[in-house]
Amino acid sequence: AQSVSQHNHHVILSEAASLELGCNYSYGGTVNLFWYVQYPGQHLQLLLKYFSGDPLVKGIKGFEAEFIKSKFSFNLRKPSVQWSDTAEYFCAVRILTGGGNKLTFGTGTQLKVEL
Amino acid sequence: DTGVSQDPRHKITKRGQNVTFRCDPISEHNRLYWYRQTLGQGPEFLTYFQNEAQLEKSRLLSDRFSAERPKGSFSTLEIQRTEQGDSAMYLCASSLVAGEQFFGPGTRLTVL
Repeated sequence: AQSVSQHNHHVILSEAASLELGCNYSYGGTVNLFWYVQYPGQHLQLLLKYFSGDPLVKGIKGFEAEFIKSKFSFNLRKPSVQWSDTAEYFCAVRILTGGGNKLTFGTGTQLKVEL
Repeated sequence: DTGVSQDPRHKITKRGQNVTFRCDPISEHNRLYWYRQTLGQGPEFLTYFQNEAQLEKSRLLSDRFSAERPKGSFSTLEIQRTEQGDSAMYLCASSLVAGEQFFGPGTRLTVL
């Protein structure tokens, strides 16, 4: 069965630091890739998505992610984090062939940004 | 508000009782999904509907769980004879065909 690994469970950064959160998946076929964010007390929101085309995708609030097919990775980046980026971040994969339409999520990364 | 809504937001029940949750998707979305999320984990897929047809069920969905979407609009998820292991956040999402999924706020279930 497919799986999604997020390597960092908890990350603490100071404001203005750069962020990179790792995400790897275990499936060799065609996939769609997503990053969702959950701010404290709020529901899951889509941060960005990759369906096809340019492997560098830009999302909301200055986030971007790069799809590297050879490494089965879809890492999330932001050059300068803000206190308001404190949230939990989830990577998710949708398999396009025979995978139905479900999303498979990683376990999440809790990001805390300190002033 | 035109997002996905779920009711109730919190449910506390005693072991052995039945519970039912409701999800109202975004109105033009024909796909509706249920996920379950426990502490420290990402959401896990339970089942999904396209219109009123239930197209896929996870092995996580034991025979105590049943989901319906009778008219292709709102959906209900029922858990019979609840167990303490059913305590979790139950999330609903909706989408257009092959589109991105939009999530609701979830129903937090606590089984005593």
